[in-house]
Amino acid sequence: EADIYQTPRYLVIGTGKKITLECSQTMGHDKMYWYQQDPGMELHLIHYSYGVNSTEKGDLSSESTVSRIRTEHFPLTLESARPSHTSQYLCASSTPRGVSTDTQYFGPGTRLTVL
Amino acid sequence: QKEVEQNSGPLSVPEGAIASLNCTYSDRGSQSFFWYRQYSGKSPELIMSIYSNGDKEDGRFTAQLNKASQYVSLLIRDSQPSDSATYLCAVNKAGRRALTFGSGTRLQVQP
Repeated sequence: EADIYQTPRYLVIGTGKKITLECSQTMGHDKMYWYQQDPGMELHLIHYSYGVNSTEKGDLSSESTVSRIRTEHFPLTLESARPSHTSQYLCASSTPRGVSTDTQYFGPGTRLTVL
Repeated sequence: QKEVEQNSGPLSVPEGAIASLNCTYSDRGSQSFFWYRQYSGKSPELIMSIYSNGDKEDGRFTAQLNKASQYVSLLIRDSQPSDSATYLCAVNKAGRRALTFGSGTRLQVQP
């Protein structure tokens, strides 16, 4: 059972607000990921981190930003939310230290609605 | 051509039958293969991983890998209505940043 947490689980917010979606894992995983997924649609990688102070943009362009100051914490921030940001945001982590497999474990997700 | 291809379905099977889910991938350098299950509105959960050619069994689930044909499948024996979900195939190649996911196959198990 993976220990990866996301808060909030649901968020309804007005246009123009700044929001931060939290993601934490207690497994000591080096790699962490943010995916965006619309209902019934594919997962799209939007951010990736190899480890502390290492972040990269994913395959899908996103106006969000991320930081990785601590191994266990990988927050995602939207400076000014817009209705087009309405989606489900999924955080994942993988690769225990010293293990080469890349099995990804997902958090429960945050469903964001921007009015 | 997508890197990981799955039939979107829905695949409908009667309760108790074997459900067969298929996935093809384009990159011959792929080394790790995963099946995830995703219920509507929920996050993906790992069912199985497979790294070598052949079959790998875990309870009612069997993953099959054929690297020569670039094909990976998931068999679900004695299908239950609770197995109704979208099944995602994911593939990893050494050096890639993250898993590449297929778009998923929706499985419906009819009681």
